[in-house]
Amino acid sequence: AQSVTQLDSHVSVSEGTPVLLRCNYSSSYSPSLFWYVQHPNKGLQLLLKYTSAATLVKGINGFEAEFKKSETSFHLTKPSAHMSDAAEYFCVVRGYGQNFVFGPGTRLSVLP
Amino acid sequence: GAVVSQHPSWVICKSGTSVKIECRSLDFQATTMFWYRQFPKQSLMLMATSNEGSKATYEQGVEKDKFLINHASLTLSTLTVTSAHPEDSSFYICSASIGGPYNEQFFGPGTRLTVL
Repeated sequence: AQSVTQLDSHVSVSEGTPVLLRCNYSSSYSPSLFWYVQHPNKGLQLLLKYTSAATLVKGINGFEAEFKKSETSFHLTKPSAHMSDAAEYFCVVRGYGQNFVFGPGTRLSVLP
Repeated sequence: GAVVSQHPSWVICKSGTSVKIECRSLDFQATTMFWYRQFPKQSLMLMATSNEGSKATYEQGVEKDKFLINHASLTLSTLTVTSAHPEDSSFYICSASIGGPYNEQFFGPGTRLTVL
């Protein structure tokens, strides 16, 4: 069985400060992990993915995430938030031969 | 590359009517397409997996007679919501994968359905 927990339903940061969005997963298989961003009434855009290569993954728009197997975590970070980063973020797990399982999402607000 | 489109982007219909949503892979052939449903402020829930030329596989709790899925070609899948009711109002998102259902998925922009 697979599951994803995003510990914060809403995160609010000031522009220019760091962003941390937390994700923990459970998977019976060697997982692939993804972070997607969704702007209001828009589809999903892939930020980054981990597929058993380097544990520190760099994505688009300055985001990165680190796969920590011992902690079953895949937290998303960005050194400096921009107003355009305000959106909904989904962590997704997929075990080998399994379908995507989406986390509940974290809404990121960026204050001026 | 790997662009997925959906049409229409939004639709409003009367209760009891049927609505068809198209999902197209524009620059690749998608052997597998997926249909998701997203309620306001909630996550995406997989409704069904559709493979070209075969019947769709529905997730538990999804009525296959209400949500008809057709995947007649490698670039087109359609979702028809039959006899729509207000509770079917939602954001429907499709995705497509290259080379098999467990490869990376590319998502469409979504279709907002409102049933009056």
